[in-house]
Amino acid sequence: IAGITQAPTSQILAAGRRMTLRCTQDMRHNAMYWYRQDLGLGLRLIHYSNTAGTTGKGEVPDGYSVSRANTDDFPLTLASAVPSQTSVYFCASSGANYNEQFFGPGTRLTVL
Amino acid sequence: AQSVTQLGSHVSVSEGALVLLRCNYSSSVPPYLFWYVQYPNQGLQLLLKYTSAATLVKGINGFEAEFKKSETSFHLTKPSAHMSDAAEYFCAVSGWYSSASKIIFGSGTRLSIRP
Repeated sequence: IAGITQAPTSQILAAGRRMTLRCTQDMRHNAMYWYRQDLGLGLRLIHYSNTAGTTGKGEVPDGYSVSRANTDDFPLTLASAVPSQTSVYFCASSGANYNEQFFGPGTRLTVL
Repeated sequence: AQSVTQLGSHVSVSEGALVLLRCNYSSSVPPYLFWYVQYPNQGLQLLLKYTSAATLVKGINGFEAEFKKSETSFHLTKPSAHMSDAAEYFCAVSGWYSSASKIIFGSGTRLSIRP
């Protein structure tokens, strides 16, 4: 079944540790996105990528980095995790119709 | 710039009753509007979208929404609620951010269904 996969499903992480959240899509979509979801705040865009080889900052990029080496993968890295990064992280992608995004199942991250 | 406001963080209705979830948007250009649904421990799923065609949009699971430009609204309705409709619902408006399009989400409305 075509779609977006994310790994891990959940993770508990000590503050200061490095962590990479993985995202893979098999729909050949050009654009990909990372959001974080926090209670009462909806979804906030962290980083995005229009196409392989390019990335851009969203509204809450600090403490996160991304790369887009190919069309399918869009990993999100926390170089040194802090408790305020405890959240649920969603990866999304969009194809020719940029206005509709498809979401992965999410990664629940807890930073202690 | 675009923004969206969902009125009411929590709505509770009885099974079989009308569901009405409110969304108002702000946009400097003609908008595309969306409703997404999120079931517990899952990602977001597109319920319906308005892309400047018909103002009354029908989606999955019996939901529909009407685009009202004069009221800058895109409220979501369903004539008869079912227990399986219990979920979080997000209204969203599309916009452009730098060189990529993105969707701006509201803060969500949690729908509870009473037996």
